[in-house]
Amino acid sequence: KAGVTQTPRYLIKTRGQQVTLSCSPISGHRSVSWYQQTPGQGLQFLFEYFSETQRNKGNFPGRFSGRQFSNSRSEMNVSTLELGDSALYLCASSPTSGSPSQYFGPGTRLLVL
Amino acid sequence: DQQVKQNSPSLSVQEGRISILNCDYTNSMFDYFLWYKKYPAEGPTFLISISSIKDKNEDGRFTVFLNKSAKHLSLHIVPSQPGDSAVYFCAASSGTYKYIFGTGTRLKVLA
Repeated sequence: KAGVTQTPRYLIKTRGQQVTLSCSPISGHRSVSWYQQTPGQGLQFLFEYFSETQRNKGNFPGRFSGRQFSNSRSEMNVSTLELGDSALYLCASSPTSGSPSQYFGPGTRLLVL
Repeated sequence: DQQVKQNSPSLSVQEGRISILNCDYTNSMFDYFLWYKKYPAEGPTFLISISSIKDKNEDGRFTVFLNKSAKHLSLHIVPSQPGDSAVYFCAASSGTYKYIFGTGTRLKVLA
């Protein structure tokens, strides 16, 4: 079974731009969660989508948004990028919402200049 | 406010010895705890979990201990192997399906 894939793997943007990251979950998994990893903060939960609906949301500003498609693929969008948005963005898939066994992708490393 | 804390950013252990990674939490509503391992350039992989109704869960070389009164959990790796060198994250959930992660501890097992 193919694992979770994330594209692109690396991205460089400038302040004020917007970015869209993509995540393809493991086949059959309907839940996709997004996390931001930074050196000082660890992994911080952004949001979770299940069956195209946002089920949970972390404490991030509205500039961070996401969506899930009918094939369970998910996209995350960050608008009006700030320097502090530089981080590794990880997505994780699981068969159902809230499953403890999340399978993480390799992440997209975003650098905002 | 960091609800899940891993106060040791790094730990070095000799091969064959025990590795003990610690995690403290502040939210008494947390009822499910997990440990993840992360290698460079890879996403975290699930290692072991424990429910708040238990105080110990074992899986091979990995054992997680939960002390609810102290709001503390620990991961024991015995014996430690060089391949265990990675960053370890603990995570907690209060049934809302939202997992709060710690900042991670980098374990280095010396051959």
